[in-house]
Amino acid sequence: NAGVTQTPKFRILKIGQSMTLQCAQDMNHNYMYWYRQDPGMGLKLIYYSVGAGITDKGEVPNGYNVSRSTTEDFPLRLELAAPSQTSVYFCASTRTGIGEQYFGPGTRLTVT
Amino acid sequence: GQQLNQSPQSMFIQEGEDVSMNCTSSSIFNTWLWYKQEPGEGPVLLIALYKAGELTSNGRLTAQFGITRKDSFLNISASIPSDVGIYFCAGYSGAGSYQLTFGKGTKLSVIP
Repeated sequence: NAGVTQTPKFRILKIGQSMTLQCAQDMNHNYMYWYRQDPGMGLKLIYYSVGAGITDKGEVPNGYNVSRSTTEDFPLRLELAAPSQTSVYFCASTRTGIGEQYFGPGTRLTVT
Repeated sequence: GQQLNQSPQSMFIQEGEDVSMNCTSSSIFNTWLWYKQEPGEGPVLLIALYKAGELTSNGRLTAQFGITRKDSFLNISASIPSDVGIYFCAGYSGAGSYQLTFGKGTKLSVIP
């Protein structure tokens, strides 16, 4: 199993550009999550999904959108990039929703 | 929202020493998870705790779920240089919540 994979690993965007961060898992987990991590801080939840077709907002959803058309994939969309979205983004998944979450390697995004 | 207070923020210890860190909350948590993150990587799960009072070990690591359900502790015995990293506590508060709350982390440095 590859576990949780994320692409790209690094990206630089100009203000106002758009991009999609990709996340995939091969563990047949129903629950998937997107977090952002700013320097010296813990992880903050952006969006999560409890299954294909079902998504919900987390603590910091503004400026982001998600979709979940399959169990395996959970892309995160930035429509109009802003410098405040400079961060490291992590995707995670879990089988039960209240159990152990497994993380991908992250995408480091810089918006200038 | 929920908050987890993790302490200490950082530690410098000699190789071979034991390490203790803790995580506290003003509200009850039903599950506690401990993660380690190394530079440029995603968090890696170390230990999961599901019952109040539970004590679980993983090699030189031991974690406990506090009996009040408002705290958790992580101990590392006989530290080695590869223990360097940031240790995060995280928890589920229950009541139908699928959202994991993270502490801000304890940065561990080991002096050979």
